[in-house]
Amino acid sequence: DQQVKQNSPSLSVQEGRISILNCDYTNSMFDYFLWYKKYPAEGPTFLISISSIKDKNEDGRFTVFLNKSAKHLSLHIVPSQPGDSAVYFCAAIPIQGAQKLVFGQGTRLTINP
Amino acid sequence: KAGVTQTPRYLIKTRGQQVTLSCSPISGHRSVSWYQQTPGQGLQFLFEYFSETQRNKGNFPGRFSGRQFSNSRSEMNVSTLELGDSALYLCASSLYSYEQYFGPGTRLTVT
Repeated sequence: DQQVKQNSPSLSVQEGRISILNCDYTNSMFDYFLWYKKYPAEGPTFLISISSIKDKNEDGRFTVFLNKSAKHLSLHIVPSQPGDSAVYFCAAIPIQGAQKLVFGQGTRLTINP
Repeated sequence: KAGVTQTPRYLIKTRGQQVTLSCSPISGHRSVSWYQQTPGQGLQFLFEYFSETQRNKGNFPGRFSGRQFSNSRSEMNVSTLELGDSALYLCASSLYSYEQYFGPGTRLTVT
């Protein structure tokens, strides 16, 4: 039972344009959402997070949007840079779930020069 | 500040053996979580320790166990290894917030 889904295994974007990565979830008890970036042979790196009481959070080039009614969140990267090429995971934490992250399957983002 | 460190980075074991992996969290972080990453199942939560107590547990068999020491360092143990245990094992630490910071992982290969 995949509670957090990233339906696009891969995404290719031109350098300088906007990258939009999408994530859907099925459990309405999720309380907090996070995005991680992962390079090969490294652990995931925390990017940005959002609480379920908000609908938007920005940090530099990264913005996360949350649509609770649609159970959907997205990560926008503007402008996209070659160093952004990596696998991106969205993750969710259930209410009272302490540190138990539930991850999506990941989307491989490739930024083309 | 030093990040999360994991040892060893790579390990090869034979079916039936047991293995112990180690994780040192970021200084001051008291929560340590473990995850398994495989191509088929993705990243899955194993367990979380806080102040030497297991606070959360994922859906893994009892062959997977862990512990945390008073200095917050953590170990996980897998007994009676199976081929399907081949994976990248990731440790993450956090302070009080939900943001977890991951180590580079231990790549375990079971032959």
